Amino acid sequence: SYELTQPPSVSVSPGQTARITCSGDALPKKYAYWYQQKSGQAPVLVIYEDSKRPSGIPERFSGSISGTMATLTITGAQVEDEADYYCYSTDSSDNRLFGGGTKLTVL
Amino acid sequence: EVQLVESGGGLVQPGGSLTLSCVASGFSVSGKYMSWVRQAPGKGLEWVSLIYTRGDTNYADSVKGRFTISRDNSRNELFLQMNSLRADDTAVYYCAREDGYCRGGDCYSYFGLWGQGTLVTVSS
Repeated sequence: SYELTQPPSVSVSPGQTARITCSGDALPKKYAYWYQQKSGQAPVLVIYEDSKRPSGIPERFSGSISGTMATLTITGAQVEDEADYYCYSTDSSDNRLFGGGTKLTVL
Repeated sequence: EVQLVESGGGLVQPGGSLTLSCVASGFSVSGKYMSWVRQAPGKGLEWVSLIYTRGDTNYADSVKGRFTISRDNSRNELFLQMNSLRADDTAVYYCAREDGYCRGGDCYSYFGLWGQGTLVTVSS
């Protein structure tokens, strides 16, 4: 079955650039979305349609796509960006699926 | 205020049944794709089920044949009936509204509004 693959963890120091990848064979044909989830809270959309940023999301969050890999980039990561990040997309059967999640540590 | 409020979670024995409810405010559930998403303790997000505006449904393989999604348009409420529950169904269950659009025969949607979640624990 179709899967989205993310690294389990990424660690950066404050002010550095964090990059979280998401690999999936259907990503060239289907949009990637990114969610941020802080402990005990519901997820929040931070990137939609590969690279668009919802209103209210800081400019340091950006998204890109190259072939079968989507990337979430946080330029100048802040301590408050520490969270779990999930990529999301759909498959050819219109099933919704999430990547396994990446724990971002900023310290 | 636009929001989703889930209820109905609790402790249930393996093999048992439970029905979750999600009341929507500020929009009509009948006019949006609506989904249930779950998260097992310490684990990632897993999409569970979807009901389209036209009323047909879709399910993750892990729950197909055991769970049923439905809605009551008059009460603006979404439901998830869960039967034959197993220990690995233990999770926080979120109700989520899908936002997006269709263009040229393709639809692009994402979870744009989430509830606060309700915990389901399957244990003897």
